[in-house]
Amino acid sequence: AQSVTQPDIHITVSEGASLELRCNYSYGATPYLFWYVQSPGQGLQLLLKYFSGDTLVQGIKGFEAEFKRSQSSFNLRKPSVHWSDAAEYFCAVGARTGNQFYFGTGTSLTVIP
Amino acid sequence: KAGVTQTPRYLIKTRGQQVTLSCSPISGHRSVSWYQQTPGQGLQFLFEYFSETQRNKGNFPGRFSGRQFSNSRSEMNVSTLELGDSALYLCASSSTGGSGYEQYFGPGTRLTVT
Repeated sequence: AQSVTQPDIHITVSEGASLELRCNYSYGATPYLFWYVQSPGQGLQLLLKYFSGDTLVQGIKGFEAEFKRSQSSFNLRKPSVHWSDAAEYFCAVGARTGNQFYFGTGTSLTVIP
Repeated sequence: KAGVTQTPRYLIKTRGQQVTLSCSPISGHRSVSWYQQTPGQGLQFLFEYFSETQRNKGNFPGRFSGRQFSNSRSEMNVSTLELGDSALYLCASSSTGGSGYEQYFGPGTRLTVT
């Protein structure tokens, strides 16, 4: 069965520090991979996506993610976190056929000054 | 372009009642998906409509239903509400459907069942 695991429920980092959010997936084939961010009271905004090709993808707001097929992972990184990055982050996989997405349970990010 | 809009934003209902939520996709988008978001379960896929047809359905009971109109606007209905239905219901639209296309999310409808 398809599943997405975000092992870190909550992460706290200092402003200016680097960030890595983990995502592992279980899927029969290589899916499409996404990272979304959700601010309080808001819907989800796409940060970046991986379809194929270069396994290091760049997104908005200075985020990047690396697809590692051997580890079934798609970890999100940012070299220097800003206070405005505090939000909930969701990893998602989508089937290459059909339009069904599976989301992780999310990682809540707190940024301290 | 206007984003995805959802109405109402907040709703309070009593157990046993039914509720209808509405979603207007981005102009030109033909695919609309619905998700239920709860603190314990995260985001769970409800169903997806494309050109007025339900193409995919998640693992939810038949109390949850939806439809899509010719203008791509979509509604979802929950009958015989239970306390566990309290959640944020998110709608997302995409241009052609298929997971390779970005989904744009609305702000959600917060449903509270008492």
